[in-house]
Amino acid sequence: AQTVTQSQPEMSVQEAETVTLSCTYDTSESDYYLFWYKQPPSRQMILVIRQEAYKQQNATENRFSVNFQKAAKSFSLKISDSQLGDAAMYFCAFSQGAQKLVFGQGTRLTINP
Amino acid sequence: NAGVTQTPKFQVLKTGQSMTLQCAQDMNHEYMSWYRQDPGMGLRLIHYSVGAGITDQGEVPNGYNVSRSTTEDFPLRLLSAAPSQTSVYFCASRRGQGGGYTFGSGTRLTVV
Repeated sequence: AQTVTQSQPEMSVQEAETVTLSCTYDTSESDYYLFWYKQPPSRQMILVIRQEAYKQQNATENRFSVNFQKAAKSFSLKISDSQLGDAAMYFCAFSQGAQKLVFGQGTRLTINP
Repeated sequence: NAGVTQTPKFQVLKTGQSMTLQCAQDMNHEYMSWYRQDPGMGLRLIHYSVGAGITDQGEVPNGYNVSRSTTEDFPLRLLSAAPSQTSVYFCASRRGQGGGYTFGSGTRLTVV
């Protein structure tokens, strides 16, 4: 069974600085998808970024980028120029084929002004 | 653009009562899922569907029932509520394989 591990329950960063959230996963498949979701206090789950495992190029979305290391089964999220609105729970998730999303336990990110 | 609509947003049940959490999407998505979110445990899959008339169990299906008679709707039924079912429930949908799921705003359920 696939598993997703986020080893940092909490992280904090100064506003305007850069922070990296870690995620590792376990799978025997070669074709899959990885995601980062943001959950602010409003509880809404918001897709931040998506990576296709067969693509070697790391995905980027504005200030958000990933470092995808397929051999190491690592998928970290880098947030540049952190803003107060980035404060949230961040979940790493894995999906293979037509099946479900498997989520990590989440990392709570605090932005210090 | 309604996206994924969940009702109700909040609900309190007594132990043993039954209820249905509603989920509807207007994006013509094939895949729909129900998750529950408990503190410190991320989101866990309850049931999912890959199309109308097709459903399957996820990680924590006990005590829940689903059906998918239309593409748009995917209701979740609690058969006999228990305090262990106190949680936040999310419905989500996506168009096909590899697409990011779109989530509803969640239902906070308390069973007393």
